[in-house]
Amino acid sequence: DAGVIQSPRHEVTEMGQEVTLRCKPISGHDYLFWYRQTMMRGLELLIYFNNNVPIDDSGMPEDRFSAKMPNASFSTLKIQPSEPRDSAVYFCASSLSNRAYEQYFGPGTRLTVT
Amino acid sequence: GQNIDQPTEMTATEGAIVQINCTYQTSGFNGLFWYQQHAGEAPTFLSYNVLDGLEEKGRFSSFLSRSKGYSYLLLKELQMKDSASYLCAVGYYGNNRLAFGKGNQVVVIP
Repeated sequence: DAGVIQSPRHEVTEMGQEVTLRCKPISGHDYLFWYRQTMMRGLELLIYFNNNVPIDDSGMPEDRFSAKMPNASFSTLKIQPSEPRDSAVYFCASSLSNRAYEQYFGPGTRLTVT
Repeated sequence: GQNIDQPTEMTATEGAIVQINCTYQTSGFNGLFWYQQHAGEAPTFLSYNVLDGLEEKGRFSSFLSRSKGYSYLLLKELQMKDSASYLCAVGYYGNNRLAFGKGNQVVVIP
């Protein structure tokens, strides 16, 4: 079975540009999580969805960040406008409702904002 | 909120045993989870403890004491491939979010 798929794997952009990160969860998983990882702050939860509905977005840093899940097989995380401090690895993870803590992570998107 | 503390790095010899500690202070605790992350890769789930005591899973064991806010991950018969960062994470009642510590980097040397 395919794991969690993320695209792009690497993104380099200039400050002020819009960035869209994409995620396809494992088929049948009903939870989807977006994380950000940096050396300074570690792995931080940004937002998570259950059955395509956002449940907790308290980790979204500010209004420049938004996430959507239009269907069970696709989610996006958008940053507009991007800033250098947004540079990080962004992971998407998915899980089943009866084992929600056993999360399967995608390979991540390494974002660099110059 | 939560406060999750892990030591940052340790070195151990192939074949040895290493213990990775994690302490936490939080309300609404609903389990302690361990993930492994190799350099440049995504975290992968290792084990979890909801109740006090030891859970064994092959070469890896995890222990939890809820009254002390303390957990450890024990890695036995260390192999070179065990060189990685080990992240502990706290789960909460009422939602399915995980709060991760910053991880403990284990370096296995021959």
